[in-house]
Parts: sequence; C-alpha cells; structure tokens
Amino acid sequence: GQNIDQPTEMTATEGAIVQINCTYQTSGFNGLFWYQQHAGEAPTFLSYNVLDGLEEKGRFSSFLSRSKGYSYLLLKELQMKDSASYLCAVMDSNYQLIWGAGTKLIIKP
Amino acid sequence: ETGVTQTPRHLVMGMTNKKSLKCEQHLGHNAMYWYKQSAKKPLELMFVYNFKEQTENNSVPSRFSPECPNSSHLFLHLHTLQPEDSALYLCASSLRTSDYNEQFFGPGTRLTVL
Repeated sequence: GQNIDQPTEMTATEGAIVQINCTYQTSGFNGLFWYQQHAGEAPTFLSYNVLDGLEEKGRFSSFLSRSKGYSYLLLKELQMKDSASYLCAVMDSNYQLIWGAGTKLIIKP
Repeated sequence: ETGVTQTPRHLVMGMTNKKSLKCEQHLGHNAMYWYKQSAKKPLELMFVYNFKEQTENNSVPSRFSPECPNSSHLFLHLHTLQPEDSALYLCASSLRTSDYNEQFFGPGTRLTVL
C-alpha cells in the first residue's frame, strides 16, 4: 500500500530552527509537496521537490532524497506565526496526491 | 472574490437532513477536488473532476453525491449522513490532473452530523 509518515507533533522555540521529516512509500513518484495549514484555514502551498537536493525559499527549505523515500522541511528563525500543521504529500504515478496526517508545530516564546 | 471559496463555512445537520456544500474557484483551473479531513488523519480524496468529468470516486458512500456543472463550480450533496461523517470538507482546484498540479484549497466547511 501507499504510506506517508511524519511526526504527529513537534515543539520548538521562537527564533530557533526545526526540521520536520517525511518518509514515503508510494506506487510511483512524480514529486513531493509541503503545505502549511493554520487551524481553521485552508492548506497553502509551501514547496515542491521532484529532483534530489535542497530547495531554499526564504526561511523555509525542503530537501528530497528519492532513493531513501525521504524529505524534510526546514524552518529557520522561527516566528510565532509559524505555529501550524505541516502536510507532506507525494504525487503518485497517477498524479494523485497521497497525504501524510500532518505535523502540528507548536512554537513557544 | 479570489482563489477558492466554499460555503457554508460551518454546517450542523441531522442524520435525516439533505444539504449541499458549494465550492467556487476563480483561478481558471480545469480540475476540482473534494477532500475529507478528520482530526489526526491524512486528507482523504473523495472525488476528482477534470474538465467537468468525474475521473475519481474513491469508494465514497452514495450518501455523498458530487456535482460539477462547469469548471468553476463544484457541489457536494449530502443525504442521510452518519455521525462519523463529521469532519472538515475541503475543496481544491488545480490547472489539470496530470503533470505538476499544485492544488489550491478553499477554507473548508466544518460539518457536524448529529
């Protein structure tokens, strides 16, 4: 079957760095997405990786290793507004998104 | 209006009621999706429409009935739901269903079935 694993919850301190991991087993691979979802709001797109390596976008970076079925989202200089759930999703061979359950990130002052 | 909108934002209904959820996208996309989001569970894809044609129905019970009159509008008709159907229902759209297809989400309808 298809499976996406990510930690349920993480806690970090304002101003620090946090890494949210995602491992996957899917039938085919056409890219990996990270979305951010604040409580009661729509998920919003953060990043897309289809080739191995690191993609940097401001304070957020996303890494992919296709051979290991592994990705991480790195958040630097954490701000209180970064408190949210972070969803990992893999596009399978049929171009359907397979979703993880999300990681709830709690930022403490 | 911009992006993807959904109405109502909150809905409480009894098990014998009939109600409909509405989604509208203002992005010029051709694909639209219904997802169910339950607490601490992955997003569950329910239905996919591509150019108004239904292309996916992921074993969704018949008490959920989708309708897509055009590429900008999507409805989810609800009938004789069960309490376990209580969840956040998210609508999304994308340019197409193949290749890179970043999905844009609406804010969701929080459904409670009594």
